[in-house]
Amino acid sequence: QQQVKQSPQSLIVQKGGISIINCAYENTAFDYFPWYQQFPGKGPALLIAIRPDVSEKKEGRFTISFNKSAKQFSLHIMDSQPGDSATYFCAATIETSGSRLTFGEGTQLTVNP
Amino acid sequence: EAGVAQSPRYKIIEKRQSVAFWCNPISGHATLYWYQQILGQGPKLLIQFQNNGVVDDSQLPKDRFSAERLKGVDSTLKIQPAKLEDSAVYLCASSRGTGRSYEQYFGPGTRLTVT
Repeated sequence: QQQVKQSPQSLIVQKGGISIINCAYENTAFDYFPWYQQFPGKGPALLIAIRPDVSEKKEGRFTISFNKSAKQFSLHIMDSQPGDSATYFCAATIETSGSRLTFGEGTQLTVNP
Repeated sequence: EAGVAQSPRYKIIEKRQSVAFWCNPISGHATLYWYQQILGQGPKLLIQFQNNGVVDDSQLPKDRFSAERLKGVDSTLKIQPAKLEDSAVYLCASSRGTGRSYEQYFGPGTRLTVT
């Protein structure tokens, strides 16, 4: 099964708060898990990514937590800002498959000022 | 460097009509992808090219969709005839190669409305 399940569908947080988006996958052959950020009228842009041999990766205010045994991973946005308001997609891929990305359904994040 | 270019940005057609989308990838990028993004869903890969050869077209509805990448540079995606369920944003992406070391860069997409 190639699906990636993402939740919540939408999320509203206050400025300065923590935004948490969760994803779960079934295919244990996935070996790369990127997160994409998409603004209205734009294509998705890579935000941060993690490999399954690492449990956490942090880049600035963005952190991925990865739980291989549970087949789950999550994106944490610390000190959320109004400029972070966008749609976030988790994705997964198998490197030997030619990097075909399987995307989650997306989470629309709104950060109120 | 210039990003992935797509045209047109918007297209409205009636069902059973034909439509074509164009994509110019980032210079030097060997791999090109076409994704379909239905409103409220994540992008779904339709076809992947490596230079001018097809790597993966397993999710392309071949009875109505076709794509080509002549000379291994720009690409066109065609729908003939269109159905209502084809209404979506069609995203083109490119990367230097395949594998997790190569980031996919997405264009702004073409929003297709089929009435």
